[in-house]
Formats: sequence, C-alpha cells, structure tokens
Amino acid sequence: DTAVSQTPKYLVTQMGNDKSIKCEQNLGHDTMYWYKQDSKKFLKIMFSYNNKELIINETVPNRFSPKSPDKAHLNLHINSLELGDSAVYFCASSPRRVAGGGTGELFFGEGSRLTVL
Amino acid sequence: AQKITQTQPGMFVQEKEAVTLDCTYDTSDPSYGLFWYKQPSSGEMIFLIYQGSYDQQNATEGRYSLNFQKARKSANLVISASQLGDSAMYFCAMRAPMNTGNQFYFGTGTSLTVIP
Repeated sequence: DTAVSQTPKYLVTQMGNDKSIKCEQNLGHDTMYWYKQDSKKFLKIMFSYNNKELIINETVPNRFSPKSPDKAHLNLHINSLELGDSAVYFCASSPRRVAGGGTGELFFGEGSRLTVL
Repeated sequence: AQKITQTQPGMFVQEKEAVTLDCTYDTSDPSYGLFWYKQPSSGEMIFLIYQGSYDQQNATEGRYSLNFQKARKSANLVISASQLGDSAMYFCAMRAPMNTGNQFYFGTGTSLTVIP
C-alpha cells in the first residue's frame, strides 16, 4: 500500500495549457508539502498545508494553486504552463508532532515529471 | 538565509571503501531534526538516517552513520563499504519546528559515484 501517491507520474503538455497533479497520503499525517526539483536537482519548497490550512507559501507564481480538500489530499493546479515549469514535482507528508521513538521524517511520493513543450 | 549547506557537488569513491558526505546546518532553535535522503537515478527519494538535536549518540543504520557535531553544526553522512548501488544523489535536510507545522530545508545535494 503506497504511503504517498501522486498522479500522474508523467505529464507532457504544451505551453499555455492548464494541468493538475493529485496527491494522497494514507499515513494519517497532518502536514503535506509540494516541492519542485529542477534540472540541477535542487529541491525547492513550494507550499505546505497543515490540516487543510496553508502554512507555507514560498515565492511561487500565482499560476500555481494548491488545494487541500482534506488532510489526506493536496493537489496542485498549474495554469498557463510555461517552459520554465518543466521539472519534477514531489508531494510529501510528515507528522506534525514526533511521537516517542519516531523520526518525523518527510515521506515523499514518487514524483511527477512535468515537461512543457 | 541558507539553512543547509552541502559543499561537495560530486564525490567519487572506490567500491568497498568508506566515504563521508559533508553537511552543515544553521538554526537557533534548540529542537530540530537532521535527515539524509538518497535519490537514485530512478528518481525516488529514500530516507536513510535521522538524528535528533537532543540525541547524545550518533545515529547508525546498517552501513550508514551520521557524524553529528552539534557545536560545529555539522551532520556528515558516512557510508561504509561502498557498493555500486550507492551511486546516487544524497540530500541533507533539517526539520525546523514552526507554530503551525514543520518546515524542512534541503541542501543542494552531493552526487556520489562508486567506482568498481
């Protein structure tokens, strides 16, 4: 049973289109994140939600809009796609509090590779 | 401000040798967590090892150990007896608590190549 699952795994689309990436976690975590990994492999936080509430919103174009219908889901919608949006997008989740003996690590999805032509 | 610094963009190690990947961090919070993740060419992010800021002993997980030097704010990853499958990108990360959740900061990564 996949802990953090995101779909689709691959997206190839034309400039100007709108696309969405869905993410679901079955770990019961309170906090979910979207990261962007560029071609140089740098991982940049985009958004973070805690119990459906936005807590981190880094400097990201407002063409990117996250939506969290419940604490197990965090979807990413991107409007008017640009060439520079091509990247791998990772969804992740973590517990808000670290239980005794736990690590509170970040659990990642498999990533969604977006290619904008 | 840069929270996590990895100064080695690329490293090479001979198979069966040990290698140390450097990581320094910056925080004024007394409570934090330090992590290492591996990203092979297939792309997934694999959690390797964790060190809590209050842990007295260095963390170990099989061939991985974390050399935690709190006063120096360093958290180097040591991989012993390197294997060809260890060739990957390695990311150091720090969890910093916030009132409303946790923020994770990542370094720029180190690309490790194991030479047969």
